[in-house]
Amino acid sequence: GNSVTQMEGPVTLSEEAFLTINCTYTATGYPSLFWYVQYPGEGLQLLLKATKADDKGSNKGFEATYRKETTSFHLEKGSVQVSDSAVYFCALKGTDSWGKFQFGAGTQVVVTP
Amino acid sequence: NAGVTQTPKFQVLKTGQSMTLQCAQDMNHNSMYWYRQDPGMGLRLIYYSASEGTTDKGEVPNGYNVSRLNKREFSLRLESAAPSQTSVYFCASSDGPGSYEQYFGPGTRLTVT
Repeated sequence: GNSVTQMEGPVTLSEEAFLTINCTYTATGYPSLFWYVQYPGEGLQLLLKATKADDKGSNKGFEATYRKETTSFHLEKGSVQVSDSAVYFCALKGTDSWGKFQFGAGTQVVVTP
Repeated sequence: NAGVTQTPKFQVLKTGQSMTLQCAQDMNHNSMYWYRQDPGMGLRLIYYSASEGTTDKGEVPNGYNVSRLNKREFSLRLESAAPSQTSVYFCASSDGPGSYEQYFGPGTRLTVT
């Protein structure tokens, strides 16, 4: 079945540092890939997506590139802010799974001033 | 627009008690979902409803039942709560199975003692 593996947290960074969160996946066919973000006390919200190989999703300074050859979708941001402190989830939507998302375990990111 | 709303926000139950978690969306979405979030395990799909009048099991349906009351509302019922059901429960909605984005409610934190 489909699965998503992402790096464990927490990841603690200073403001303006570079952030990378690794995500790899297992799926048949060509899934769509997503990063969702959960701020404290809130539900998840879509951060960015990529629907085919080599696509780059971007939003709010975050980027991730769909790499079919390495089955990866790593999230990056060049200069983090305290407001980026949250839990980040990598997810996929398979071509063989009606509407259903497979989420990773989540990575907590803590940015200190 | 309120988006996706959930009630209650917090609940403590004793083993064997029953309760219903309520979810409503005001975005005229066709599909709705119930997830549970456990530490280190990400989000797991409990049940989903592709459209009004239909429901189907997700990854972890045992111990739960759902009702799609109308297009707006999708409830989750625990008939006889167990400590293993201690979790944070999220409701989500989307335009339909083909949609790339799910919209999440703020969650219900349930503790079963």
